[in-house]
Amino acid sequence: KQEVTQIPAALSVPEGENLVLNCSFTDSAIYNLQWFRQDPGKGLTSLLLIQSSQREQTSGRLNASLDKSSGRSTLYIAASQPGDSATYLCAVHSGSARQLTFGSGTQLTVLP
Amino acid sequence: DAGVTQSPTHLIKTRGQHVTLRCSPISGHKSVSWYQQVLGQGPQFIFQYYEKEERGRGNFPDRFSARQFPNYSSELNVNALLLGDSALYLCASSPRDTYYSNTEAFFGQGTRLTVV
Repeated sequence: KQEVTQIPAALSVPEGENLVLNCSFTDSAIYNLQWFRQDPGKGLTSLLLIQSSQREQTSGRLNASLDKSSGRSTLYIAASQPGDSATYLCAVHSGSARQLTFGSGTQLTVLP
Repeated sequence: DAGVTQSPTHLIKTRGQHVTLRCSPISGHKSVSWYQQVLGQGPQFIFQYYEKEERGRGNFPDRFSARQFPNYSSELNVNALLLGDSALYLCASSPRDTYYSNTEAFFGQGTRLTVV
């Protein structure tokens, strides 16, 4: 059974700082990994999708990496802004499974 | 293009009642999945439908059921509501069957269900 862990559960940083969010998973047989952003009480916004054959994906100030063999992914946010404050969730689509398995998220607060 | 739309956005029900939540996928998407997210946790998989057939079911009681219509929209039904069913219910759509495809999931804004 796939299990996904995100550390830390919460993070507070000053504006402008570069930061890294971590995601680990137990079963390396995955199709892909997605990073999502969730604002309080809202749905999920897809940020980046990394397919199993890829090592990283970039979108603007965001860069996500994937190391399948070690069961790890990181989301790097450059030059953080108060508008980046949200909960960031990673989700794994495992091979032979139909669903995404989510971590519990990292709640990010960027202080002005 | 419209994204995934869910209705209603908020709902308050009494224990023991029944509720129906609705989801319209992105145009052209044939797969719809339902997730439950309780406060402070990541979403948990409930169902996946593709081409109007149930293709996957998570670890939820039989009080939970769903269906998909010919236009690929979907309903999630929950009977005999419990306080513990209070959660954000999320719908996700994908263009293909998620079992075989290496594809991206797109989520709606969710329905916030409160059971009192």
